[in-house]
Amino acid sequence: NAGVMQNPRHLVRRRGQEARLRCSPVKGHSHVYWYRQLPEEGLKFMVYLQKENIIDESGMPKERFSAEFPKEGPSILRIQQVVRGDSAAYFCASSPVWTVEMNTEAFFGQGTRLTVV
Amino acid sequence: TQLLEQSPQFLSIQEGENLTVYCNSSSVFSSLQWYRQEPGEGPVLLVTVVTGGEVKKLKRLTFQFGDARKDSSLHITAAQPGDTGLYLCAGARSSSNTGKLIFGQGTTLQVKP
Repeated sequence: NAGVMQNPRHLVRRRGQEARLRCSPVKGHSHVYWYRQLPEEGLKFMVYLQKENIIDESGMPKERFSAEFPKEGPSILRIQQVVRGDSAAYFCASSPVWTVEMNTEAFFGQGTRLTVV
Repeated sequence: TQLLEQSPQFLSIQEGENLTVYCNSSSVFSSLQWYRQEPGEGPVLLVTVVTGGEVKKLKRLTFQFGDARKDSSLHITAAQPGDTGLYLCAGARSSSNTGKLIFGQGTTLQVKP
């Protein structure tokens, strides 16, 4: 978690509201990953983005969830019309360019704990 | 189905004891990483292993990558209360070219003084 900044750290939303989670990667990193963690479980991959491109969104629910990583500014994970089941910790990780040969390491932020009431 | 099976899921031991955590899969990984996570924090990388049969040591922690790159283990010698936490293994699959990680369920370790 060297330098990955996530905010807010805690977010409470009522059912039906929108949640916006922000992630500023390590300076110079152009790759961002979002993961979700339920209590007492490991992390589940959601989406992988490069600047202005979604590369792999195979882990993201097709409804209500979207992600972006604009040319300028942080990456945003947006959850529309939240439901109780969306309550979880959402982690962002960033890395420089990744290749199989380099096995580049990703650094995680401290996460956003979303609670839907 | 869980692609990476971690065992045990919970472990409570006395200070000074040794322990081993296992991470197993039927899939091949190009690399495997071990993380430690404190409550309310993000995972912190402990080590990355990339070569089959590789062994890495980090003070009292010893990490091993299986010869076939399908499994890994974490051994802690003379555990201390400061080792308490959630240990996660995570792998980058050989078939993937994105670097996304597959995580195990985690092992919650409690070391009692």
